[in-house]
Amino acid sequence: DQQVKQNSPSLSVQEGRISILNCDYTNSMFDYFLWYKKYPAEGPTFLISISSIKDKNEDGRFTVFLNKSAKHLSLHIVPSQPGDSAVYFCAASPYTGTASKLTFGTGTRLQVTL
Amino acid sequence: DTAVSQTPKYLVTQMGNDKSIKCEQNLGHDTMYWYKQDSKKFLKIMFSYNNKELIINETVPNRFSPKSPDKAHLNLHINSLELGDSAVYFCASSQVPATEQFFGPGTRLTVL
Repeated sequence: DQQVKQNSPSLSVQEGRISILNCDYTNSMFDYFLWYKKYPAEGPTFLISISSIKDKNEDGRFTVFLNKSAKHLSLHIVPSQPGDSAVYFCAASPYTGTASKLTFGTGTRLQVTL
Repeated sequence: DTAVSQTPKYLVTQMGNDKSIKCEQNLGHDTMYWYKQDSKKFLKIMFSYNNKELIINETVPNRFSPKSPDKAHLNLHINSLELGDSAVYFCASSQVPATEQFFGPGTRLTVL
């Protein structure tokens, strides 16, 4: 049972344009959401997060939007740069106490072309 | 300075062997984790320790045993390795309250 889904395995965007990566979840207990970026042969790198009490969080070129009623979140990257080419994982957690049990999506491979 | 480090990076071994993967973090975090990324790229949590105490223990065969000698280290020992154990294993750490987790570079385990 996949509780976090990234339905687009890949996405290609031109440099300078907006990249929009989507994520859907099914577990109503999730209240903290994160995006990670991963390069080959490296571990996931934290990008940005959002708590369920918010609907938007922005950090430089990265903005995450959360629609709780639709159980949907998205990551916007503006403008996209070639260095953004990587696999992006969406993750969710039911709580942020002593330990957070992150559930990951299967990732979306973003290719930013020149 | 590497924040979360793992050794070895690659591990190739025969079925039935016992092996260990080591993880160290120098971020001063109290909580550490082990994740497994299988061939389908699913990244799933296995264990979590907070200050040397087991907090999360997912449905993992008891051939897998985490050990935390101190809060900066969380090692993973695997007994009687099987073909299905082949995967990339990631260590991670976080502060308390646990929000974002910081991951190590991964250990690619191949069981022949």
